[in-house]
Amino acid sequence: QSVLTQPPSVSGAPGQTVTISCTGSSSNFGAGFPVHWFQHLPGTAPKLLIYENTKRPSGVADRFSGSKSATSASLAITGLQAEDEADYYCQAYDTILSGSVFGTGTKVTVL
Amino acid sequence: QVKLQESGPGPVKPSETLSLTCSVSGDSISSSSYYSYYWAWIRQPPGKGLEWIGSLFFGGSTYYNPSLKSRVTMSVDTSKNHFSLRLSSVTAADTAVYFCARQRGFRAYAPTSPFDPWGQGTLVTVSS
Repeated sequence: QSVLTQPPSVSGAPGQTVTISCTGSSSNFGAGFPVHWFQHLPGTAPKLLIYENTKRPSGVADRFSGSKSATSASLAITGLQAEDEADYYCQAYDTILSGSVFGTGTKVTVL
Repeated sequence: QVKLQESGPGPVKPSETLSLTCSVSGDSISSSSYYSYYWAWIRQPPGKGLEWIGSLFFGGSTYYNPSLKSRVTMSVDTSKNHFSLRLSSVTAADTAVYFCARQRGFRAYAPTSPFDPWGQGTLVTVSS
């Protein structure tokens, strides 16, 4: 089964930096496909934060940044704020699905 | 600004067919360009992560998650500028928040782009 693996939770104090990892496999990251990141507050529409590994859509704070290596990716949130408390998901194309696969999701808690 | 809004009839009984519609405003769902948009469905069971259901390109290709392919049908109604999802033979495991979303891509190739924007989602409960 195709899946991207994320830590269930990360936490940090206001102002700190937290990093969320996303580990893939040869059928997605290993095949060279890019990763995208979303922020999701329950009851709302998920919001695109990072696309094609490192790019930020217009309107997304530069506190959010992404990186990717051969089989893993990371989302960093610097200067953590209370409003950043949410669920975060990575997404990539998977050759086994011939479609998209999502990460298992990470809940960010601001202490 | 493109907006998507899911709608559906409410609770569904086991073994019946789940039907949802996504209304699109601010964009035409029937673009004929070779590089345009796929229209997608994604779901999230309670307490679990996101699962891609399928992506459809008007007049082009449709891709379904292999785990759901035998039960899923997606379609487009250009007169109403909306697209639909039908999931047959539902069970309690199909209880989820269902989201619709847009995804850039080429008519003849599976899309690799992010989903953007999304609708806010609608909860579908499968229960007798």
